[in-house]
Amino acid sequence: EAGVTQFPSHSVIEKGQTVTLRCDPISGHDNLYWYRRVMGKEIKFLLHFVKESKQDESGMPNNRFLAERTGGTYSTLKVQPAELEDSGVYFCASSPGQGETQYFGPGTRLLVL
Amino acid sequence: AQSVTQPDIHITVSEGASLELRCNYSYGATPYLFWYVQSPGQGLQLLLKYFSGDTLVQGIKGFEAEFKRSQSSFNLRKPSVHWSDAAEYFCALVSGGYQKVTFGTGTKLQVIP
Repeated sequence: EAGVTQFPSHSVIEKGQTVTLRCDPISGHDNLYWYRRVMGKEIKFLLHFVKESKQDESGMPNNRFLAERTGGTYSTLKVQPAELEDSGVYFCASSPGQGETQYFGPGTRLLVL
Repeated sequence: AQSVTQPDIHITVSEGASLELRCNYSYGATPYLFWYVQSPGQGLQLLLKYFSGDTLVQGIKGFEAEFKRSQSSFNLRKPSVHWSDAAEYFCALVSGGYQKVTFGTGTKLQVIP
């Protein structure tokens, strides 16, 4: 069974540009989560989808971040416009249901110059 | 608010030596507790988890962790470290309802010959 996959693995962009990160959860997992680790800090929760609905987006830093999960399958996280402080590793995780273990993807390493 | 503390940022051990990574949590009830590992260039891999029952849990790669309610701790141990164990280790908790994961800041393990 394939795990959680994320694309791209790395992205280097200039301040002010737009970047879109993609996450494909494990097949059949209704719950999808986004997390971020800014350099030197802990991994922090961004938001949680149940199927296509946003269950909790309390961790989204500001309105430059937009997450979508059309059709309840893969999800995208768009940063527009990117700022220097957005640099970090963006992780995606999925779980079959609430109360079950979250499985993490390899992360996307974003560098904003 | 819930929190996880990993007091050691870096630990260096000799190959074959025993290992203990510390983790303390703050939460009003009994949380679900996890240890994840991130090897260089890899994603987060689940080592083990504690939900309830036996307070000593066994994980993959020869790791174990012990939940101690009185000390609010969930320390990770391994009796004999291998060079391939060099990685960053994250302790994490999830509150009831199992939504967002709260991570510690991570402990980087270096293994020397």
